[in-house]
Amino acid sequence: AQSVTQPDIHITVSEGASLELRCNYSYGATPYLFWYVQSPGQGLQLLLKYFSGDTLVQGIKGFEAEFKRSQSSFNLRKPSVHWSDAAEYFCAVGDSNYQLIWGAGTKLIIKP
Amino acid sequence: NAGVTQTPKFQVLKTGQSMTLQCAQDMNHEYMSWYRQDPGMGLRLIHYSVGAGITDQGEVPNGYNVSRSTTEDFPLRLLSAAPSQTSVYFCASSYSSISSYEQYFGPGTRLTVT
Repeated sequence: AQSVTQPDIHITVSEGASLELRCNYSYGATPYLFWYVQSPGQGLQLLLKYFSGDTLVQGIKGFEAEFKRSQSSFNLRKPSVHWSDAAEYFCAVGDSNYQLIWGAGTKLIIKP
Repeated sequence: NAGVTQTPKFQVLKTGQSMTLQCAQDMNHEYMSWYRQDPGMGLRLIHYSVGAGITDQGEVPNGYNVSRSTTEDFPLRLLSAAPSQTSVYFCASSYSSISSYEQYFGPGTRLTVT
């Protein structure tokens, strides 16, 4: 069955430090992969997407993610986090019916 | 553009009551969907629509009805509210079903059923 796993429910990072959020997927074919961000009290916003080609993709707000087929992973990274990055981050994989299969989310907490 | 709008933002219902969550978009998007978000479970698809007059069930459709009479509006009806429907509900839209991975979300409706 198709699934997305985000192993970390919460992550706490100091402001200015680097960030990596983990995402693992289970999908039979070549996956379409996404990261969405949900700021407090807001709806979700697309951060970045991978369809094919270069395995390192750039997104908005200085985020990037790397697709590693051998590890079935699509981890999200940022070199230096800002307090405004505090939010919940969702990884998702697109299935063959154009639907998204969502991970449970990782809540990012920024320490001043 | 207002994007995707949802009303109300908060709602408290008693068990057995019915209500309609409103969703509208002004981007002329063909595809619209409703999700519910519960702690630790990510988003689960309730119903979706690929165009006016066409709706289909998602992962968790029981207890909910939808209709799509116009491109802009996609209301979600709770027929007889149950405590298990306490959740945050998000409406989303995208240009078409083929691009439905890239969705624009509304701000959500927080529903409590007592």
